[in-house]
Amino acid sequence: GNSVTQMEGPVTLSEEAFLTINCTYTATGYPSLFWYVQYPGEGLQLLLKATKADDKGSNKGFEATYRKETTSFHLEKGSVQVSDSAVYFCALIGGYNKLIFGAGTRLAVHP
Amino acid sequence: DTAVSQTPKYLVTQMGNDKSIKCEQNLGHDTMYWYKQDSKKFLKIMFSYNNKELIINETVPNRFSPKSPDKAHLNLHINSLELGDSAVYFCASSQDPGRVFGNTIYFGEGSWLTVV
Repeated sequence: GNSVTQMEGPVTLSEEAFLTINCTYTATGYPSLFWYVQYPGEGLQLLLKATKADDKGSNKGFEATYRKETTSFHLEKGSVQVSDSAVYFCALIGGYNKLIFGAGTRLAVHP
Repeated sequence: DTAVSQTPKYLVTQMGNDKSIKCEQNLGHDTMYWYKQDSKKFLKIMFSYNNKELIINETVPNRFSPKSPDKAHLNLHINSLELGDSAVYFCASSQDPGRVFGNTIYFGEGSWLTVV
């Protein structure tokens, strides 16, 4: 079946450090891939998405590239800020438009 | 101008009570969903409706009953609440997945339910 695996957190970084959160998936076919972010005490917000192989999604300085050959969709940001502290969820769309989420990775950025 | 809104945001209630969470979307979408986030932040779909018709029912106890009076609303009613029902419940919506590929799902702000 479809599944998403993302690196365990928490990830703790200093401000302006480079961020990578790994995400790999298992799926039949080529599903659309997403990163959602949940800031403390808030709901889920779409961060970026990619709908086909080699697509790059980007938003707010974050990027992720849909890699079919490695079944990955790693999230990166060149310089994190304290305000990026949140939980990040990788997800894919399964049958019936069902989102399959990874377990989430908590990011803590310190000044 | 909130796209997907749900009420209440916080709800504390006793075991055995019945409660409802309401959801409305103003995006003109055909499909709505309920997701549950447990205490470890794990997110899983519970239900989806397309144009008021139930599409997904993900082995949720029948104490949970979704109701969709029209395609802009999807309410969640929970009977005989148990301690294990404590979670964050997210409503969401999207365009009809049968018509739009690579569909984005938009989430509400969540309803924090605590059963004591």
